[in-house]
Amino acid sequence: NAGVTQTPKFQVLKTGQSMTLQCAQDMNHNSMYWYRQDPGMGLRLIYYSASEGTTDKGEVPNGYNVSRLNKREFSLRLESAAPSQTSVYFCASSGLGPQETQYFGPGTRLLVL
Amino acid sequence: EDQVTQSPEALRLQEGESSSLNCSYTVSGLRGLFWYRQDPGKGPEFLFTLYSAGEEKEKERLKATLTKKESFLHITAPKPEDSATYLCAVQYYHGNKLVFGAGTILRVKS
Repeated sequence: NAGVTQTPKFQVLKTGQSMTLQCAQDMNHNSMYWYRQDPGMGLRLIYYSASEGTTDKGEVPNGYNVSRLNKREFSLRLESAAPSQTSVYFCASSGLGPQETQYFGPGTRLLVL
Repeated sequence: EDQVTQSPEALRLQEGESSSLNCSYTVSGLRGLFWYRQDPGKGPEFLFTLYSAGEEKEKERLKATLTKKESFLHITAPKPEDSATYLCAVQYYHGNKLVFGAGTILRVKS
């Protein structure tokens, strides 16, 4: 099992460009999450999907959109990138139940110039 | 607002020098407390989950404990390969989402 995979690993964008970060999991998990990690700050939740067909905003959703394509895949889209969105983005997934552990992907490093 | 505070921000140890990392949290409504390890350039790796005060879990040189207001990650006789950032996260009953602390950067020198 690959667990949680993310593409791309690294991306440079210019202000105003758009891009989609891809995430897939092969653990048959119901819930999936997108976080951003910035220096000196904890991981902050952007959006999550409790189950296929549902998505909800997290702590810092502005400037982002998500799509739960199917049970395996959850994508994060930046419609018009801004320098403030320079960060490391992590996708995670968890199984049934509110106490299920979240498992993380390797991250996408995004630089917006 | 739910808060999770980790201390110290950074810790330098000599190989074999035991110590503890702290994670304090907003007290009411704890559903679970999670510890993760994160190596540079990688995603967080799950270590432990604790659910109730008094609970303890161990894995190799690491031992996690939980009280009513904080959790400790004890590192016994650390080795250089234990160097990493250790993250604490709390899940509350009033929301299924995890609230993360900023992490403790641990460096173990041989």
